[in-house]
Amino acid sequence: GQNIDQPTEMTATEGAIVQINCTYQTSGFNGLFWYQQHAGEAPTFLSYNVLDGLEEKGRFSSFLSRSKGYSYLLLKELQMKDSASYLCAVRGSFSQNFVFGPGTRLSVLP
Amino acid sequence: GAVVSQHPSRVICKSGTSVKIECRSLDFQATTMFWYRQFPKQSLMLMATSNEGSKATYEQGVEKDKFLINHASLTLSTLTVTSAHPEDSSFYICSATEGQAQETQYFGPGTRLLVL
Repeated sequence: GQNIDQPTEMTATEGAIVQINCTYQTSGFNGLFWYQQHAGEAPTFLSYNVLDGLEEKGRFSSFLSRSKGYSYLLLKELQMKDSASYLCAVRGSFSQNFVFGPGTRLSVLP
Repeated sequence: GAVVSQHPSRVICKSGTSVKIECRSLDFQATTMFWYRQFPKQSLMLMATSNEGSKATYEQGVEKDKFLINHASLTLSTLTVTSAHPEDSSFYICSATEGQAQETQYFGPGTRLLVL
């Protein structure tokens, strides 16, 4: 089977750093994706990891360890507009389908 | 980046009617399109995967006769919710990928369906 787990909710303060974890168990692996979704809107792509290590893109970084089935999304210098749900998704081997985790609702407080 | 549009963005209908939702890739050819459903405060649930010119592949538990998917061209896929009932009220989102070696999928803005 396939299972992706994320914390349900997180709270952080404006200007701080927050790390959102994602663990997965899937039949094969062909990439892990992070998306941001504001309430009532469609998800927007944030990052993609297929090899182990850290990918940095501005205030957002994503890390992957394939041997541990683990990834995290790191958000730096938090802003109020970062309040949203963050979805971890995995694509299995030779599969077109993306399996989404339950999402983490992040609240950034002033 | 690639742009995917959906129409309508919001629809309210009476129970028993059918609703068609269109998903278009505006600046690329989408070899594969996905249809998701999302209930409040929940994650995306994949309903079906469609490839241009072939029958859609439905996920377990999704009724293919109730949720009709047609991927008639490389830029258009439609989802028809037939004989809609209040429990079908949800946020329906399509996405598209470009080619087999795509890194990501591009999401449409979503369609909010309310069945009265």
